[in-house]
Amino acid sequence: AQSVTQLGSHVSVSEGALVLLRCNYSSSVPPYLFWYVQYPNQGLQLLLKYTTGATLVKGINGFEAEFKKSETSFHLTKPSAHMSDAAEYFCAVSEGTGFQKLVFGTGTQLLVSP
Amino acid sequence: DAGVIQSPRHEVTEMGQEVTLRCKPISGHDYLFWYRQTMMRGLELLIYFNNNVPIDDSGMPEDRFSAKMPNASFSTLKIQPSEPRDSAVYFCASSYGLAGTQYFGPGTRLLVL
Repeated sequence: AQSVTQLGSHVSVSEGALVLLRCNYSSSVPPYLFWYVQYPNQGLQLLLKYTTGATLVKGINGFEAEFKKSETSFHLTKPSAHMSDAAEYFCAVSEGTGFQKLVFGTGTQLLVSP
Repeated sequence: DAGVIQSPRHEVTEMGQEVTLRCKPISGHDYLFWYRQTMMRGLELLIYFNNNVPIDDSGMPEDRFSAKMPNASFSTLKIQPSEPRDSAVYFCASSYGLAGTQYFGPGTRLLVL
């Protein structure tokens, strides 16, 4: 079965600093990979997703992630953090190519200080 | 589009009562998902439907939970009887096609006393 590990339940950065949120996955088949963001008291919003093709995926709000099969990783990055990026971020993997059943990681809370 | 609509946004009830959560998916979407989010277990899929038919309910915790989708624009998740451990945020999401992006509703925050 697929699984996702997010290293660090909390990550703190200063405004303007690099954001790096780590995600490793386990999958026996080529995975679809996702990053979602959740702002307080709101539902999840898709940041970006990898299905096939280019391994560097660009998403909304300046975020991007790179699929590295050899490392089974899909880390999320942003060159310069903004205060509005403070939220919880979830990595997810789909069970099987094109399959809709998502398995989520435990989430990483991103804190941005002035 | 209004997005996925859930009601109520907040629900407080007493143990043993029946609770019904409602969801209206995005028009045209053919998949609908119910998730539960808790501090202890994170975000977990309870059940999902394709074209109003339940496909996988392996995440439903027990028989006290049931979900229906009588038509393409409405789904319910019912808990009867409710217990304090059911307290969580319940999300509904919808998508189009096998590889479609799942769009989440704002959630229903349930507290069972």
